[in-house]
Amino acid sequence: SQQGEEDPQALSIQEGENATMNCSYKTSINNLQWYRQNSGRGLVHLILIRSNEREKHSGRLRVTLDTSKKSSSLLITASRAADTASYFCATVPNSGNTGKLIFGQGTTLQVKP
Amino acid sequence: NAGVTQTPKFQVLKTGQSMTLQCAQDMNHNSMYWYRQDPGMGLRLIYYSASEGTTDKGEVPNGYNVSRLNKREFSLRLESAAPSQTSVYFCASMGLTDTQYFGPGTRLTVL
Repeated sequence: SQQGEEDPQALSIQEGENATMNCSYKTSINNLQWYRQNSGRGLVHLILIRSNEREKHSGRLRVTLDTSKKSSSLLITASRAADTASYFCATVPNSGNTGKLIFGQGTTLQVKP
Repeated sequence: NAGVTQTPKFQVLKTGQSMTLQCAQDMNHNSMYWYRQDPGMGLRLIYYSASEGTTDKGEVPNGYNVSRLNKREFSLRLESAAPSQTSVYFCASMGLTDTQYFGPGTRLTVL
C-alpha cells in the first residue's frame, strides 16, 4: 500500500514564483526522500532528510520534516520552466530497513514561462 | 559511467507471452530494485535484492520472477503476460547512502 500521500496532485505556477508540495506518511521512518521525474524519464534523487533532522537545503530546494505530524514539504524557490516535472516523496520505514522506498503518488508541477 | 541501464526501452507483448527485462548497474551497488509505475499510482515495488544471491518480494510480486545474476545485473521475468501488467518498469540500485539511482524505464504494453 502507498505510504505517502502528496498534496496537491497538480500545481501550475508562473516562472519566478515559489512552489510548495506536501507529503504525508503513515508509519515511523528512517528517512524521507524527494525525487523528480521529467516526462518519460527515470526518477532523479533530489534530497534526503533523516528522521532526526527538521530542515534541509540544497540550492533552490528546501525540505522540512515534522515527524510528530508525519509530514514533509518541499519548497522550490524562484521556479524555472525547467522545474516542470513530477515530484515524488519516498519514505524508508524504520522496521527491517532494506532500503525499500515507499513512494507517494506524486505532484505534477507545471512552471509557465 | 552509464549508471543504471535497462533493456528494452519499449516492448509490446500478446497475452500469454513471456519476456525478460534486463537491468545492469556499474556503480558497484549491493542493492537493486524493480518497480512498476502506473498512472496516478506512483511507483510500487515488485521485487528487490539486498545483495548478490538474495531476492525478496515487494508490494506487487504476483506474476513476476527475478534473478540476481551477479552484482551488476538484476532481471525481471514475466512468465505469462497479462494486460494488467501493462506499465512502465523501472530498475534502481542503491549503495551506502540510501539514495536510489533509477534507469530510464521500459514501457511495456500487453495486448
